Amino acid sequence: AAGVIQSPRHLIKEKRETATLKCYPIPRHDTVYWYQQGPGQDPQFLISFYEKMQSDKGSIPDRFSAQQFSDYHSELNMSSLELGDSALYFCASSGLRLNTEAFFGQGTRLTVV
Amino acid sequence: GDSVTQMEGPVTLSEEAFLTINCTYTATGYPSLFWYVQYPGEGLQLLLKATKADDKGSNKGFEATYRKETTSFHLEKGSVQVSDSAVYFCALSRFSGYSTLTFGKGTMLLVSP
Repeated sequence: AAGVIQSPRHLIKEKRETATLKCYPIPRHDTVYWYQQGPGQDPQFLISFYEKMQSDKGSIPDRFSAQQFSDYHSELNMSSLELGDSALYFCASSGLRLNTEAFFGQGTRLTVV
Repeated sequence: GDSVTQMEGPVTLSEEAFLTINCTYTATGYPSLFWYVQYPGEGLQLLLKATKADDKGSNKGFEATYRKETTSFHLEKGSVQVSDSAVYFCALSRFSGYSTLTFGKGTMLLVSP
């Protein structure tokens, strides 16, 4: 069965650079979520989109932005990167209309040096 | 706000031992409750869920019962295997079908042969 696809799997950036993370949800899923998991920490919700509109917002820094496109894939844009942004970034998708729970991708490991 | 509290790890067990990982929650209304498992270097996988009081979620020998009176959702398994070694996250969402999740800190389980 198709799963949530995230790219890239690993990314190394320098401080003050920008990064773009991509997420391709499970087909027919209408909702995408982004989470940030620091080393040894629990995942923290950043932002979500339902039918290409922002549906909920968590602890997303102002330096980050995200959007969901017409094909339902989503991108998380991160600017002015800081060392503390080093983390595992997960995307999850769910079918709100289908009433399915969230399925997570493998994550993108971002390292800021 | 919503919160989830899990017992701290690591939990170290011998193969075939009984497992309990405690989880309690604070939330308004009637949240849905989940257990996710994260194997090293991988994403989060849904292990089981319960959407209303007294529901029991079960999967792969793991069980958890939604106890509204004690606001708990403890994870149990009668006989653990080495392959169960992973980090287990308890999580809640505000209601069934709404999948923005609040996670606990995670509990690492280490099972030795």
